[in-house]
Amino acid sequence: EAGVVQSPRYKIIEKKQPVAFWCNPISGHNTLYWYRQNLGQGPELLIRYENEEAVDDSQLPKDRFSAERLKGVDSTLKIQPAELGDSAVYLCASSAGTSGNFYEQYFGPGTRLTVT
Amino acid sequence: KQEVTQIPAALSVPEGENLVLNCSFTDSAIYNLQWFRQDPGKGLTSLLLIQSSQREQTSGRLNASLDKSSGRSTLYIAASQPGDSATYLCALGGGGNKLTFGTGTQLKVEL
Repeated sequence: EAGVVQSPRYKIIEKKQPVAFWCNPISGHNTLYWYRQNLGQGPELLIRYENEEAVDDSQLPKDRFSAERLKGVDSTLKIQPAELGDSAVYLCASSAGTSGNFYEQYFGPGTRLTVT
Repeated sequence: KQEVTQIPAALSVPEGENLVLNCSFTDSAIYNLQWFRQDPGKGLTSLLLIQSSQREQTSGRLNASLDKSSGRSTLYIAASQPGDSATYLCALGGGGNKLTFGTGTQLKVEL
């Protein structure tokens, strides 16, 4: 069974430029998560989708970050414009089922973003 | 707000040694606790998941315990190997299927 797929794996951009990350969750997983992991820290949740609906985006910096999950499968996370402080690893995860019970999350390899 | 602390931040041990990684948390109202492994440049691999009603889980050379009353979990690694070198993260599962992670322990097992 294929795991969570993310692309690109690495991205280097200049500040003020836009950037987008793509995630394909495990087949059949209804819930999709985007996390940001700063160097030396644990991942922090940015947004959680149940099917097409963003049910928790309280930690997403909405002035420059946006996300979408069309058709409830693949998802894209965008930053525009990027700032130096956005340099981090962006992790995507997915789980079966929706909130109400706790389902194990499976993580992709992440996209390492460097903003210069 | 759940706060998760992992001690030590880094650890270096000789091959074959048994070791314990610690995780403490402030809110005991959790669904479960997970231990993850993260290799450089890679995502997270789940090692063990302990449900809120359980006290411990074992997988091979790994044993994780959970004590909600004291807000602590330990990951015990027996007979460590160089291949165990990685960063180990604990994460608390809470409402809304939300995981709150600690900052991790970077482990190096030397030959």
